[in-house]
Amino acid sequence: DGGITQSPKYLFRKEGQNVTLSCEQNLNHDAMYWYRQDPGQGLRLIYYSQIVNDFQKGDIAEGYSVSREKKESFPLTVTSAQKNPTAFYLCASSFGQGGHQPQHFGDGTRLSIL
Amino acid sequence: GESVGLHLPTLSVQEGDNSIINCAYSNSASDYFIWYKQESGKGPQFIIDIRSNMDKRQGQRVTVLLNKTVKHLSLQIAATQPGDSAVYFCAETGYSTLTFGKGTMLLVSP
Repeated sequence: DGGITQSPKYLFRKEGQNVTLSCEQNLNHDAMYWYRQDPGQGLRLIYYSQIVNDFQKGDIAEGYSVSREKKESFPLTVTSAQKNPTAFYLCASSFGQGGHQPQHFGDGTRLSIL
Repeated sequence: GESVGLHLPTLSVQEGDNSIINCAYSNSASDYFIWYKQESGKGPQFIIDIRSNMDKRQGQRVTVLLNKTVKHLSLQIAATQPGDSAVYFCAETGYSTLTFGKGTMLLVSP
């Protein structure tokens, strides 16, 4: 089955630690996205990538970093500079490089602070 | 479980009723709109989309209506079922990225 796989489902971070969230897709989609979701809030865009080896900051990129070395993979690193990292993180992908295609989502990673 | 629904507007309906969920969008330049359903602990699931050259689009048990004059989008669910209980988001775009609304929680009682 084609889809988007996020791992791990739950992740705990200690103070001063960087953690990396995995996102893999086998849909042959060009574009991939990372969102953050807080309780009672809509999704906020962290980073997106429309093509391999290129990515752009979203609305809340500070304290996060990404890479896009392969079409299938778009890992997100939550750095120690992100002072409020506790949230539900969602990865998505879509055909083409514009926004006029539906984005398909993984089932998220819940990050908590120890 | 997932607490995405905290403090969201809530629509409570009985099984078999029709549900209407509304969304006001902000950008008059937006020309593509999507409705998503998000169940507890899961990622959003695509329901239906509509482009700005249309006023109405129908899917299976769902209809999306677009009123560009007042920047309003609605999702109608016919014969609502308990499995429809979830948070529903609208999203809009005019460029390369989607902007999401905060969502509405739909509660369906048997």
